Amino acid sequence: AQSVTQPDIHITVSEGASLELRCNYSYGATPYLFWYVQSPGQGLQLLLKYFSGDTLVQGIKGFEAEFKRSQSSFNLRKPSVHWSDAAEYFCAVGEGVNFNKFYFGSGTKLNVKP
Amino acid sequence: KAGVTQTPRYLIKTRGQQVTLSCSPISGHRSVSWYQQTPGQGLQFLFEYFSETQRNKGNFPGRFSGRQFSNSRSEMNVSTLELGDSALYLCASSSGPTGVDTEAFFGQGTRLTVV
Repeated sequence: AQSVTQPDIHITVSEGASLELRCNYSYGATPYLFWYVQSPGQGLQLLLKYFSGDTLVQGIKGFEAEFKRSQSSFNLRKPSVHWSDAAEYFCAVGEGVNFNKFYFGSGTKLNVKP
Repeated sequence: KAGVTQTPRYLIKTRGQQVTLSCSPISGHRSVSWYQQTPGQGLQFLFEYFSETQRNKGNFPGRFSGRQFSNSRSEMNVSTLELGDSALYLCASSSGPTGVDTEAFFGQGTRLTVV
């Protein structure tokens, strides 16, 4: 069965520090992977997605993620965090041909210290 | 271009009642998906509609139903509300299956509280 694990529930980093959010997936076929961000009271915004090709994917707001098939991981990174990055981040895998069905991880809440 | 609009934004209902939530997708989008978000279960897929047809359904009881109209607007209905139905309900729209060139856009959600 498809599943996504985000092992870190909360992470706190200082502004300007680097960030890595972990995501592991379980999926039988080639995974289609996504990272979404949710600010309080808001819906989800797509940061980046991986379908195939280059395993290092660039997204919006300076985020990137690396797909590692051998580790079943799709970790999200940012070299220098800004206070406005404080939000909840969700990793997701899209199912099959109908990618509008997502399996989401439980989310990681990011706090940014000034 | 207007985003995905969900109405109402907030709703309080009593156990046993039924509720209807509405989602207006981005103009031109024919796919609408619904998700339930709770602190305990996280984000869970409810169902997806494309051109008025339900294409996928998640693992929810039959009390949860939906439909899509010819203008792509979608509604979801929950009958016989239970306390556990309290959640943020999100809908997402896209022009088709999310792929390399398409994206699912989410609305701000409807916060349903069952008392």
